Amino acid sequence: DQQVKQNSPSLSVQEGRISILNCDYTNSMFDYFLWYKKYPAEGPTFLISISSIKDKNEDGRFTVFLNKSAKHLSLHIVPSQPGDSAVYFCAARGYGNKLVFGAGTILRVKS
Amino acid sequence: SQTIHQWPATLVQPVGSPLSLECTVEGTSNPNLYWYRQAAGRGLQLLFYSIGIDQISSEVPQNLSASRPQDRQFILSSKKLLLSDSGFYLCAWSAFNLGSSGANVLTFGAGSRLTVL
Repeated sequence: DQQVKQNSPSLSVQEGRISILNCDYTNSMFDYFLWYKKYPAEGPTFLISISSIKDKNEDGRFTVFLNKSAKHLSLHIVPSQPGDSAVYFCAARGYGNKLVFGAGTILRVKS
Repeated sequence: SQTIHQWPATLVQPVGSPLSLECTVEGTSNPNLYWYRQAAGRGLQLLFYSIGIDQISSEVPQNLSASRPQDRQFILSSKKLLLSDSGFYLCAWSAFNLGSSGANVLTFGAGSRLTVL
C-alpha cells in the first residue's frame, strides 16, 4: 500500500519556466512533508519541508504548497535551471518519526 | 559539522555470497540511523532503522540484517545474497528525539551500488 504517491514518473520543462512536481498521500496522520533532490549515483539531499499546519513554505526559487483536504502537495521551482535536473522525492513523516517516500519524479530542464 | 560516510561505493557480488555495507556518522551523538534501498525504477524503501546501540527495527522481511555495534556505526549484512538484493543502498541519519518540533530531516550518505550476478 503506497501511502505517498508521485504519479508522474518524469517531467520536462524549458529553462526559465516553472516546474511543478506533484505528490499525493493517503495517511492523514502525516505531520511533516519533505522534498528531496537526488542526482545519479549520489544520496538524496534535503530541499524543503512543510508542516501539516501550514499551506505554503517558500525558500528562494522553491515553494511547497500543501492542500490537506485534498491530501496533495506540490513543489514549484521558478525559474527552472538546467542544474535542477534530477530526481525529486516527496516524503512524509509518520509514526515513529519515520519518513515514507514516493517513487520519485525525474525532472529534466532543457536549455 | 556532521558528516556521513558510506562504503563501499560500488560492489559486484555473486549470488550466495555474503554482504557487508558500512556506514559511520561524525559530529553528532546518539543519532537515529537508517538503511534505505532504491531498486531500479522505484522509490526509497526503508529497510532498517535504529534509535540506539543494538536497537534495530526491521521494516521489511528480507534476506538482509543490520547491526549497530557502536553509537555512530551502522552495518547492513547478508549471509547469502539473492539476485533481488541488487540496488542502490543508502544510509541516513537524523537527530534523536525530535519530538513534535521540526521535520525529521534525514541526511543521506552517497550510497552503495550493489549488483548481484
